[in-house]
Amino acid sequence: DAGITQSPRHKVTETGTPVTLRCHQTENHRYMYWYRQDPGHGLRLIHYSYGVKDTDKGEVSDGYSVSRSKTEDFLLTLESATSSQTSVYFCAIGFPAGKTNTGELFFGEGSRLTVL
Amino acid sequence: GESVGLHLPTLSVQEGDNSIINCAYSNSASDYFIWYKQESGKGPQFIIDIRSNMDKRQGQRVTVLLNKTVKHLSLQIAATQPGDSAVYFCAENSGGSNYKLTFGKGTLLTVNP
Repeated sequence: DAGITQSPRHKVTETGTPVTLRCHQTENHRYMYWYRQDPGHGLRLIHYSYGVKDTDKGEVSDGYSVSRSKTEDFLLTLESATSSQTSVYFCAIGFPAGKTNTGELFFGEGSRLTVL
Repeated sequence: GESVGLHLPTLSVQEGDNSIINCAYSNSASDYFIWYKQESGKGPQFIIDIRSNMDKRQGQRVTVLLNKTVKHLSLQIAATQPGDSAVYFCAENSGGSNYKLTFGKGTLLTVNP
């Protein structure tokens, strides 16, 4: 395992409630990512971070916000959860591609969120 | 809950056979590609990668082939084992990005004993 912990691993909530998912890494990676995974869509990037307080949007960022106040923690917040945000959320860490690596990502075990 | 394996292309093979999983990528500017394996209930795990200046790369029991002319990638698994049963994804670095990957939808491989 690449030293990535996601919490909670499972959560059931109601429409309209706020939800925060936490990703904690012990690898000191600069880059951290949040993906969601849905049947028929594969993994889609929500937001990513390239350093403390440095974040950017991915392809499905609407309805989500993120924060990174420390290198080791990357939080994903759903301000007002909707049923369409029912999904499995994966945090990932990685180094940018360079001469000696291809930018592979290391994934956490996932957080299954159900919005009723 | 619903498995990520539903709605996916599937490949069913007998234990000991070779498996070939295919992937079409979208961006001709992508210059490296990665295969991931995802077992049920777990996060994706790196299998093997290949840069665009290569046609073939071999690992332990796995080979990745890259055909840039038709933007096609394949993963070959030799002597497939029950433990190889999983969803396999290809990923490309989004149009040459050095820190973002775009994933394919995946293929579900089932190995029959």
